Amino acid sequence: GENVEQHPSTLSVQEGDSAVIKCTYSDSASNYFPWYKQELGKRPQLIIDIRSNVGEKKDQRIAVTLNKTAKHFSLHITETQPEDSAVYFCADNNAGNMLTFGGGTRLMVKP
Amino acid sequence: DAGVTQSPTHLIKTRGQHVTLRCSPISGHKSVSWYQQVLGQGPQFIFQYYEKEERGRGNFPDRFSARQFPNYSSELNVNALLLGDSALYLCASSLGPQGVANYGYTFGSGTRLTVV
Repeated sequence: GENVEQHPSTLSVQEGDSAVIKCTYSDSASNYFPWYKQELGKRPQLIIDIRSNVGEKKDQRIAVTLNKTAKHFSLHITETQPEDSAVYFCADNNAGNMLTFGGGTRLMVKP
Repeated sequence: DAGVTQSPTHLIKTRGQHVTLRCSPISGHKSVSWYQQVLGQGPQFIFQYYEKEERGRGNFPDRFSARQFPNYSSELNVNALLLGDSALYLCASSLGPQGVANYGYTFGSGTRLTVV
């Protein structure tokens, strides 16, 4: 079945620095790549997504890039703030209505 | 406008027991998907239902079953509970059967199940 690998598992940055989280996937049929933010004890919330016909998408301080040839996609957060601290999950959709999630990255932004 | 609601929020069960978890999707959403999130891991797909029919099943044993009602709410049932079933169970609703790629999911806050 589909496999999504996510790195790093933990990431600590100073406030104002950038953070980059990377994911690789295995199924070349994957065509939708969302990123979710999950704060402690809360539901995963969609923060940005990208489809396979687009190479990059930005939304204020957040951007996602996709390299279909290499089968990897990345989340970039610039000017990090303490409220960005959370667990971030990448995922992909290769069939039906199912998402396959990566293992998560715990981002800690130190003030 | 209410979001995805799940009940109960927390539950403690004993090994071997049965549990039923409930989910009400966003009004107008006809697809409900269930995910299991073990502590420290990403969510894993269990089932998808659309218009009361099972549209997808993940790699879970037959102890796990689900159904969807005419009002699009859904139940997840787990029989013969094991310690390893302890997890956060998330329900996600979307507009249609292929909705996740077109509209994304909205997750509920989940039911935290602890099996002792």
